[in-house]
Amino acid sequence: GAVVSQHPSWVICKSGTSVKIECRSLDFQATTMFWYRQFPKQSLMLMATSNEGSKATYEQGVEKDKFLINHASLTLSTLTVTSAHPEDSSFYICSARGPMLGLGETQYFGPGTRLLVL
Amino acid sequence: DQQVKQNSPSLSVQEGRISILNCDYTNSMFDYFLWYKKYPAEGPTFLISISSIKDKNEDGRFTVFLNKSAKHLSLHIVPSQPGDSAVYFCAASAMYGGSQGNLIFGKGTKLSVKP
Repeated sequence: GAVVSQHPSWVICKSGTSVKIECRSLDFQATTMFWYRQFPKQSLMLMATSNEGSKATYEQGVEKDKFLINHASLTLSTLTVTSAHPEDSSFYICSARGPMLGLGETQYFGPGTRLLVL
Repeated sequence: DQQVKQNSPSLSVQEGRISILNCDYTNSMFDYFLWYKKYPAEGPTFLISISSIKDKNEDGRFTVFLNKSAKHLSLHIVPSQPGDSAVYFCAASAMYGGSQGNLIFGKGTKLSVKP
């Protein structure tokens, strides 16, 4: 299957700092990338969808000024958690999808980034 | 309103036996269904998918069955192995209907395969 990488795999930061997480599709062109957040023992929560070269579409309740998403190329999307606070501590996962060519297209997930804000 | 439901939060199976994970959906526009496996602190791994034009798809030990009239799909793992112990997520998407093919996930079923 296709490979999606995320960097860093974990990060610890002080409250008030900003953290950038990178998501890369290594062997395919991702026209669409997704950012999810997972709380302990809960399902994946979609935060936003981004198409290459255009602004991200945020899900209801997700602050776009706090979670800045950039999808500058077909292989890279970044999520920046601005002025992080302890409640932002979570497991962030990205996924990538190629162009929708037919009936359905598989999303491939990155390994996730664990963020701990002190 | 939960469009994709996995009603069993957990399932325990003996090694070598069949594991059957179930998933129900409510949106008749869904036309593509996927199963993902997830270990703690890792991203989900794609397992198998099925489109609405099929009722069965098989890949090695994994088979997915789709019953469109019942809006139900299931994942069969035969034979189950201890390494299969993980959380399994069912996901569905609709090519049309404004959702742009985004995945809707169930809450997951934790499978434990005992030696």
